[in-house]
Amino acid sequence: NAGVTQTPKFQVLKTGQSMTLQCAQDMNHNSMYWYRQDPGMGLRLIYYSASEGTTDKGEVPNGYNVSRLNKREFSLRLESAAPSQTSVYFCASSLSINQPQHFGDGTRLSIL
Amino acid sequence: GESVGLHLPTLSVQEGDNSIINCAYSNSASDYFIWYKQESGKGPQFIIDIRSNMDKRQGQRVTVLLNKTVKHLSLQIAATQPGDSAVYFCAENYPGGTSYGKLTFGQGTILTVHP
Repeated sequence: NAGVTQTPKFQVLKTGQSMTLQCAQDMNHNSMYWYRQDPGMGLRLIYYSASEGTTDKGEVPNGYNVSRLNKREFSLRLESAAPSQTSVYFCASSLSINQPQHFGDGTRLSIL
Repeated sequence: GESVGLHLPTLSVQEGDNSIINCAYSNSASDYFIWYKQESGKGPQFIIDIRSNMDKRQGQRVTVLLNKTVKHLSLQIAATQPGDSAVYFCAENYPGGTSYGKLTFGQGTILTVHP
């Protein structure tokens, strides 16, 4: 039972490059989320998808786009990476909004 | 307890002791709270949750207490083990308007269990 799977686990980019982070869940959850985690800042919500076909901005959406490809998959795209986007990115899913969220193990992204 | 800033609160205990991790949440209208455990290099792992119509909820070796009067949440871990060493986060959900369904996470508390 894989739960939430994120790829890649590590990535180094140069400023201005683009990148898509992939996330897939096998729990038949309706809601999916993207967070970033920075030292001392806790987890901050970037975007979320309450259900298939919908996406909404979170606390820190600037510089990112998302696609809810189907019920299982929710991708995060950086169109023009900036050093300020160096972070650990976590994808999560839940049965529905206001239910426990289950997290993947993260993508560690460094932008030089 | 939790605080804003670059230095996380820390709690050191001996194996077998009971641990209490505290969290002050921000919004009196928040209706749902979760505790997560995060080990180094891993994603947050769900421990236990509680809704605002309850004061206490128990799981296996863990108890969450909710005091809405002072906006305080605590996680009690019984008979703490070295494997409990991790960063513990509380999260709250404020149901108002566009915030519905979005969890707000605390900064975390580092728990270290000494054998």
